[in-house]
Amino acid sequence: QLQLQESGPGLVKPSETLSLTCTVSGGSISSSNYYWGWIRQPPGKGLEWIGNIYYRGNTYYNPSLKSRVTISVDTSKNQFSLKLSPVTAADTAVYYCARTEVVSVAAPYDSWGQGTLVTVSS
Amino acid sequence: DIVMTQSPDSLAVSLGERATINCKSSQSLLYSSNNKNYLGWYQQKPGQPPKLLIYWASTRESGVPDRFSGSGSGTDFTLTISSLQAEDVAVYYCQQYFNDPYSFGQGTKLGIK
Repeated sequence: QLQLQESGPGLVKPSETLSLTCTVSGGSISSSNYYWGWIRQPPGKGLEWIGNIYYRGNTYYNPSLKSRVTISVDTSKNQFSLKLSPVTAADTAVYYCARTEVVSVAAPYDSWGQGTLVTVSS
Repeated sequence: DIVMTQSPDSLAVSLGERATINCKSSQSLLYSSNNKNYLGWYQQKPGQPPKLLIYWASTRESGVPDRFSGSGSGTDFTLTISSLQAEDVAVYYCQQYFNDPYSFGQGTKLGIK
């Protein structure tokens, strides 16, 4: 059974870099059938798509975050990662990693990690 | 960018009764080449990640009870729970995956009356 697990610091200072890793188990991140994505949710608010990555390194970012976001993949470790820099208090959120199927246009996210809360504060 | 708007923001329904949540997109989500609507519905319970319930607007994800159904096409969509159970208390989100950036509705909080 596929499992995704986010990891990384829970507290980041303003103007610094938020770095998270998603470890995939029970399946291969190198599958040609899936993209891997990041979605975030500020406390008590709705969901915001951050971006996706394919195992070959192709990336797709939300234009609202594109200048600050980098998503990368490490197939040897079955992991993909998120970097967001510089951060402000508005980046405080639960960050989820998730999987979506490769189809002609796009697909919904069918598997999600449990999420990790990142707080931006000095 | 496509804007997704759900209604109502919150809803209280008696156990065993029908619950209906609406979702409207700012542009059509119907892809003409395959006649599919690129619209999904998720359920999120407190402290949990979203769970995919419905995709292609009306296809139930494996394992989802058949009291959940999705309908609609183009810009107007509906999630219906035919007979509300206590475990259905949650926030429900629609999501369009027709165009990048993929976007979600603001959520509808469903409770028991």
